[in-house]
Amino acid sequence: DVKVTQSSRYLVKRTGEKVFLECVQDMDHENMFWYRQDPGLGLRLIYFSYDVKMKEKGDIPEGYSVSREKKERFSLILESASTNQTSMYLCASRGLGRNTEAFFGQGTRLTVV
Amino acid sequence: QKEVEQNSGPLSVPEGAIASLNCTYSDRGSQSFFWYRQYSGKSPELIMFIYSNGDKEDGRFTAQLNKASQYVSLLIRDSQPSDSATYLCAVNPYNNAGNMLTFGGGTRLMVKP
Repeated sequence: DVKVTQSSRYLVKRTGEKVFLECVQDMDHENMFWYRQDPGLGLRLIYFSYDVKMKEKGDIPEGYSVSREKKERFSLILESASTNQTSMYLCASRGLGRNTEAFFGQGTRLTVV
Repeated sequence: QKEVEQNSGPLSVPEGAIASLNCTYSDRGSQSFFWYRQYSGKSPELIMFIYSNGDKEDGRFTAQLNKASQYVSLLIRDSQPSDSATYLCAVNPYNNAGNMLTFGGGTRLMVKP
């Protein structure tokens, strides 16, 4: 059974804290993605990575950074958490090819207080 | 104009009816199209994908693609209350660094017993 696993299901952090969200996939996928999902705004791409140590900005990268030191792991970092970063964060991975599906992790509900 | 557009709904249908969900996209070179289902508080799961014009059937689900008109639809026959969820349309665009999918905002479907 293929899996994308996010390190936490729920997180509560304080404003100004540095926050790490971890994502691991076991499908040997080249591509990994971080999205945030907010009511009425749909899925918005924060960052993606198409190879180890490679990263590209998505639509809303401000306030975030990422790290991909190993193929199976893609981390999202909130440098200084703010209340407007309270959201559902979803990690996804996808193999090569236009007809491959993207697999999602279970999501992390982050609340910044 | 958003790249992938869906009516946010909610779309309400009675149990046993056909639910019709629509999606339009702006990139004429888009190559493959995916329908995901997302239950409240859960992550998206793939229902089916389509890449050729016409219909593709899988059980109670039928995906329809019309590239000339740039729309893709999902029909759910014999709708059940368990089909109540948000349905996300995703598109594999032509220029696709990172092999990302572009998602619509989703349509919320409610099936009433």
